[in-house]
Amino acid sequence: QITLKESGPTLVKPTQTLTLTCTFSGFSLTARGVGVGWIRQPPGRALEWLALIFWDDDERYNPSLRSRLTLTKDTSKNQVVLTMTNMDPVDTATYYCAHPNVAPRRQVSYFDFWGPGTQVTVSS
Amino acid sequence: QSALTQPPSASGSPGQSVTISCTGSSSDVGGYKYVSWYQHHPGKAPKLIIYEVIKRPSGVPDRFSGSKSGNTASLTVSGLRAEDEADYYCSSYAGSNNFVVFGGGTKLTVL
Repeated sequence: QITLKESGPTLVKPTQTLTLTCTFSGFSLTARGVGVGWIRQPPGRALEWLALIFWDDDERYNPSLRSRLTLTKDTSKNQVVLTMTNMDPVDTATYYCAHPNVAPRRQVSYFDFWGPGTQVTVSS
Repeated sequence: QSALTQPPSASGSPGQSVTISCTGSSSDVGGYKYVSWYQHHPGKAPKLIIYEVIKRPSGVPDRFSGSKSGNTASLTVSGLRAEDEADYYCSSYAGSNNFVVFGGGTKLTVL
């Protein structure tokens, strides 16, 4: 049974750095072909893919946010950490981590398991 | 602005069928078989309902079906039920640069 859960601050100030943790179970991020992704949804708006890290530390980022995002993993804790710098009120959103099904050549086929999401508000 | 274009809304009466389109380009929807659809009820995590264009995960009713023609994918919900009222998002693999893209979402209303 695969489960994921996001954790982190609910409120950050503009210009601050957001750090979110995804704690997962039911799979190992040391196994070939495995990854963890992050997706967000601003209020009233669409889902937006942010980033994904593979088992071998290969990282992929949304080109429009690449300069602000960093992913790290701690396989001993079954955790993936997303860092987003220079937060702005437009970054207010529910942030999800999700388990991707990874096809050959690292093509992401779909996200089959999602965390419940964590709401982040950016406000002074 | 989302990379994939969906109609903002769709509706149908119970028992009817509704089809939601998802238009992209040859760099995403048209170029790969990795198109997926998610059902999203407010306050809950998105749920995968279609993957690889036409496949249904275990437990998803066969009232949900997917298809693709060129750069446009479609989700059809047959035999509409009240619990189908939700937001629906398409997604596609988009190559090594853009990687994963989502549609703008379609709010399905069961009248």
